Amino acid sequence: KAGVTQTPRYLIKTRGQQVTLSCSPISGHRSVSWYQQTPGQGLQFLFEYFSETQRNKGNFPGRFSGRQFSNSRSEMNVSTLELGDSALYLCASSSAPLAGGTYNEQFFGPGTRLTVL
Amino acid sequence: DQQVKQNSPSLSVQEGRISILNCDYTNSMFDYFLWYKKYPAEGPTFLISISSIKDKNEDGRFTVFLNKSAKHLSLHIVPSQPGDSAVYFCAASGVGAGSYQLTFGKGTKLSVIP
Repeated sequence: KAGVTQTPRYLIKTRGQQVTLSCSPISGHRSVSWYQQTPGQGLQFLFEYFSETQRNKGNFPGRFSGRQFSNSRSEMNVSTLELGDSALYLCASSSAPLAGGTYNEQFFGPGTRLTVL
Repeated sequence: DQQVKQNSPSLSVQEGRISILNCDYTNSMFDYFLWYKKYPAEGPTFLISISSIKDKNEDGRFTVFLNKSAKHLSLHIVPSQPGDSAVYFCAASGVGAGSYQLTFGKGTKLSVIP
């Protein structure tokens, strides 16, 4: 079974631009979560999509948005890029959404390294 | 406010000895706790989890202990092997910042010395 794939792997943008990152989950997985990893803050939850609906959202500004398609593939968009947006963006897929009382393993992709100049 | 804390950024252990990685949390509503391992240039890989209703879970060389009264969990690796050298993230599953999510610590870099 193919793992989670993320494209592109590396990206360089300048301040003020926007960027779109893509994630293809493991076949059959319908939950996709996005995380931002920076040296100072570690991994921080951005949002989760399940069956094309955003189910959960972390504490990030509205410049960060996402969507999920009917084939479960997901995209994340960051508008008006700032220097502080430079980070590794990780996508994780799971067979079921994040919910209380249970845990379904999340499988992570290799990430997209975004550098904002 | 950091709800999951890993206070040791790094840890060095001799091969064959025990590695103990620690994690503290503040949110009593977390219901599952997990450990992830991350190698450079790869995404995190799930290692082991524990439900908040248990105090110990074992999987081969890896054991996770949960002390709910102290809001503390630890990962024990016995015996440690050079291939265990990686960054280990503690994570908690539950409602945080008004949304159900996985909340991660900042990680501890484990180096196992041959």
